[in-house]
Amino acid sequence: EVQLVESGGGLVQPGRSLRLSCTVSGFTLGDYAMSWFRQAPGKGLEWVGFIRSKPYGGTTEYAASVKGRFTISRDDSKSIAYVQMNSLKTEDTAVYYCARHRRGYAFEIWGQGTMVTVSS
Amino acid sequence: QSALTQPASVSGSPGQSITISCTGTSSDVGAYNYVSWYQQDPGKAPKLMIYEVSNRPSGVSNRFSGSKSGNTASLTISGLQAEDEADYYCSSYTSSSTVIFGGGTRLTVL
Repeated sequence: EVQLVESGGGLVQPGRSLRLSCTVSGFTLGDYAMSWFRQAPGKGLEWVGFIRSKPYGGTTEYAASVKGRFTISRDDSKSIAYVQMNSLKTEDTAVYYCARHRRGYAFEIWGQGTMVTVSS
Repeated sequence: QSALTQPASVSGSPGQSITISCTGTSSDVGAYNYVSWYQQDPGKAPKLMIYEVSNRPSGVSNRFSGSKSGNTASLTISGLQAEDEADYYCSSYTSSSTVIFGGGTRLTVL
């Protein structure tokens, strides 16, 4: 069964850092680009960024709201994608999801999400 | 880059058809056939319903269809059913190599 499981969420103070993990199973992570998203309480979906697969350079793209603060990476040997979140702000409070890409920049398999709360 | 524009809410009776619009610009919706639609139930992860404007993933009902004209994409749900009640989001790839979403549309089945 194809599955994505996010972990690493929790309560963190403003200005601190947090790293989220997306552990995948049922497919070969190295064959796919992966994206991170977030959804603030009661709000809509926001794309955070993505990382291409290694054959496509393994490069990353980010939303303007997180560029320079968040870094997406991948360890295909461990089947885990990461998002390192630095200089966290209260407005980063959200449920964070990872998802597997399919062609055409669509996101076909999603994790269940992990909650990040940034508060003093 | 601003979010894509969707109506905040739409409603319809069982058996009817509804259409949700998603308006962007010539730098996103109008530039690429990379528009997707997602269904989200409260407290759940989104589910991909349409990709590349009009393609349905395996397992998605053929009551769901997508189209695009210029800078506006549309999701049509025919034969509305109670289980279709959910939030719907469109997304598009952009000329900046990013992805943007619409603000979401709450579908109510009357």
